[in-house]
Amino acid sequence: AQTVTQSQPEMSVQEAETVTLSCTYDTSESDYYLFWYKQPPSRQMILVIRQEAYKQQNATENRFSVNFQKAAKSFSLKISDSQLGDAAMYFCASTGANSKLTFGKGITLSVRP
Amino acid sequence: DGGITQSPKYLFRKEGQNVTLSCEQNLNHDAMYWYRQDPGQGLRLIYYSQIVNDFQKGDIAEGYSVSREKKESFPLTVTSAQKNPTAFYLCASRAPGQGGNEQFFGPGTRLTVL
Repeated sequence: AQTVTQSQPEMSVQEAETVTLSCTYDTSESDYYLFWYKQPPSRQMILVIRQEAYKQQNATENRFSVNFQKAAKSFSLKISDSQLGDAAMYFCASTGANSKLTFGKGITLSVRP
Repeated sequence: DGGITQSPKYLFRKEGQNVTLSCEQNLNHDAMYWYRQDPGQGLRLIYYSQIVNDFQKGDIAEGYSVSREKKESFPLTVTSAQKNPTAFYLCASRAPGQGGNEQFFGPGTRLTVL
């Protein structure tokens, strides 16, 4: 069975600053993928970034990057130059058998102007 | 435009009634998923289907049923056996291939049992 843990329920960041959202996971799969999804107040789920577990290089998408520590089973999301539109709930997720996603409980990020 | 549609956006049901939530996609995806979202719980998998006429239970399938008669459609029925059905329901689909393909989500249906 897979588990994904997001231990911080809420975080706040000043606009233009950098914030890191934490995530740890546990899996018995040898090949898996990790994702960060964003859910703004509209509740539409949007993919932010993905990481292939067999790649050592950390994924980057514009202002979003990850710190993937495979041995520690850690997958944190860094948001640089935070913007008001980044305020949302963020979910960490991992794939398992049959490409099913297991989600963490999410973290609510607020951005202070 | 390609995407996933869910209807209705809000749904009210009386206790003891079955209700069906619609999910349609025109992305030509084989795999489709149903999730339930409760405050502080994240998303939990109810059912999934990897191909037409086939589906499997997820982590919280009790009280729910699905069908997959067409590639484009994956309706979810919330039966009266579901003890606490009030929640936000999300449908998703995924392109075939490796597990890294992202799941695309619909806008969701908010179900309230009165």
